[in-house]
Amino acid sequence: EVQLVESGGGLVQPGGSLRLSCAASGFTFGNYYMNWVRQAPGKGLEWVSSISGSGGSAGYADSVKGRFTISRDNSKNTLYLQMNSLRAEDTAVYYCARGNTWGQGTLVTVSS
Amino acid sequence: DIQMTQSPSSLAASVGDRVTITCRASQGIRNDLGWYQQKPGKAPQRLIYAASSLESGVPSRFSGSGSGTEFTLTISSLQPEDFATYYCLQHNTFPYIFGQGTKLEIK
Repeated sequence: EVQLVESGGGLVQPGGSLRLSCAASGFTFGNYYMNWVRQAPGKGLEWVSSISGSGGSAGYADSVKGRFTISRDNSKNTLYLQMNSLRAEDTAVYYCARGNTWGQGTLVTVSS
Repeated sequence: DIQMTQSPSSLAASVGDRVTITCRASQGIRNDLGWYQQKPGKAPQRLIYAASSLESGVPSRFSGSGSGTEFTLTISSLQPEDFATYYCLQHNTFPYIFGQGTKLEIK
């Protein structure tokens, strides 16, 4: 069974940092682009970042460019999102996604 | 950056109705577009990939069409479980962009 499980969310102060993880199972992880998508409370979906299977290519939303870094460890079947200089507007549920498979999401709350 | 304009933003319809949702891209994206359904409190589910290919397990009343700049999602006969929010996603060029969403409500 293909499965994605996010972790690492929580409460952080503005300006702080957090690293999200996404553990993948049930497929050959290194063969697939992986994505982070977020959803602020009561708002629509926002694509955050994607990374190629090898990790050699990545893209970011303008809203997070320069603050967030996506990475992956194919030996551990794990995707990461390093989030720095966090702002209140980064508060959202963050989903890890691969095409038609999504995790359950992890909540990030940025507040003092 | 490519902009995606999704319409309508909300739609009230009845069980059995045929509904169409549209996404327009500000520049050509070939067929690099997916359609997603999201129900409250749940992760999104992809219904359509490559603009017109039906995801495995998705009912055949859902269909997608289009290429280039204009795309449509059609539900041929609405069922009670179809009342949800729908999004398109362009994945042709970074940054990828979701449409603003269409909330489909019961009339």
